[in-house]
Amino acid sequence: QVQLQESGPGLVKPSETLSLTCSVSGGSVNSNNYYWTWIRQPPGNGLERLEWIGYISYSGITKYNTALQSRVTISVDTSKNQFSLRLSSVTAADTAVYYCARAFDYFDSSGYNDRPCDFWGQGTLVTVSS
Amino acid sequence: QSVLTQPPSVSGAPGQRVTISCTGSSSNIGAGYDVHWYQQLPGTAPKLLIYGNNNRPSGVPDRFSGSKSGTSASLAITGLQAADEADYYCQSSDSSLSGNCVFGTGTKVTVL
Repeated sequence: QVQLQESGPGLVKPSETLSLTCSVSGGSVNSNNYYWTWIRQPPGNGLERLEWIGYISYSGITKYNTALQSRVTISVDTSKNQFSLRLSSVTAADTAVYYCARAFDYFDSSGYNDRPCDFWGQGTLVTVSS
Repeated sequence: QSVLTQPPSVSGAPGQRVTISCTGSSSNIGAGYDVHWYQQLPGTAPKLLIYGNNNRPSGVPDRFSGSKSGTSASLAITGLQAADEADYYCQSSDSSLSGNCVFGTGTKVTVL
């Protein structure tokens, strides 16, 4: 059973860089056909929107949310079986629960790779405040 | 911003059947991208419930089923149980966003 665990500062100052790490156990970040993904969700009382941030593939290819791509970097450390998120120039709007997840190859009848997320970390709240 | 629209809430009595719609457009569901569904219990991470429109991961009861038609998709829950009370989100991809993954607005299921 794959397990993922996020770690990093819970408080980041405006204009600084948010950095989080996801430790993977029960599986390898080198495994074929998986995409190591970051997703976030603003805190609230329910029905807060989920926002896909991006992923890094098993071959090191990255893909980012177009709305965030100028500020996002996702990287992988195979020696530690971890992957990381860096989000620069943060504002209060970046306050959220950040989840790491594993997505897998799933090709639909149209030929698209739809990459559903089958394993998720428990999430970590990051607050942007001075 | 979410490009997949879901009803904010649905409710049903135990044992009943409820459905949740996920309405998209010609750039996402209508373009041929498949739809996945997640269940989020309070205070926990989302859990994959349905992938590829109608496939259940191992361990998901067959009370949960999905379908897709045109620019919309649906999740059905039959034999509703108290444990099903949760938020549900659909997910697809969108060609107008360079194939970015997008989530629905979410639906709160209440068991009466």
